[in-house]
Amino acid sequence: EAQVTQNPRYLITVTGKKLTVTCSQNMNHEYMSWYRQDPGLGLRQIYYSMNVEVTDKGDVPEGYKVSRKEKRNFPLILESPSPNQTSLYFCASSFGDRTNIQYFGAGTRLSVL
Amino acid sequence: GNSVTQMEGPVTLSEEAFLTINCTYTATGYPSLFWYVQYPGEGLQLLLKATKADDKGSNKGFEATYRKETTSFHLEKGSVQVSDSAVYFCALRIQGAQKLVFGQGTRLTINP
Repeated sequence: EAQVTQNPRYLITVTGKKLTVTCSQNMNHEYMSWYRQDPGLGLRQIYYSMNVEVTDKGDVPEGYKVSRKEKRNFPLILESPSPNQTSLYFCASSFGDRTNIQYFGAGTRLSVL
Repeated sequence: GNSVTQMEGPVTLSEEAFLTINCTYTATGYPSLFWYVQYPGEGLQLLLKATKADDKGSNKGFEATYRKETTSFHLEKGSVQVSDSAVYFCALRIQGAQKLVFGQGTRLTINP
């Protein structure tokens, strides 16, 4: 089954404690992306990757890091989380073509205390 | 810049009512337009899309027409069901880019 898998689904942590949210897709997609969803703001892009070892900033990259060492995986790293990073996070992937139908993971709800 | 504006929610309707969720956009060039749906506890799923002016996207009884003259992509359904309760997002993608630009989302609740 074609899917984008995020882990964990729920996470509560404290300020400053490094964490990683994993994302994996099994569709051989070139393009992967992270979004955060906040009430009244919709989804905003954090980082994206066009292919292995190619990453770039989205609209709200501050406080986040990513890596793309393998095509299927695109982890999101919070080196020193802060309460303003409390949000619902989504990973998405697609083929890097003009149809650009993006497939989304089920989301990770993060609370930073 | 590029942006999407959706009607404010939440929207509450009775089963079998007619639904319209308004969406307007501002964009450079000729964007593709999308509606995504998010059911409770799940990620976003593509509902329908349109890639050029006057195209009509349709799926599961939902429709939206790409109106370049009014820069709109309103979502409609003739008779909603309880199972349509979800959050609906309008989004655009600029030609040549990969990033989706989302509206703020509209929460829809259908009562039996």
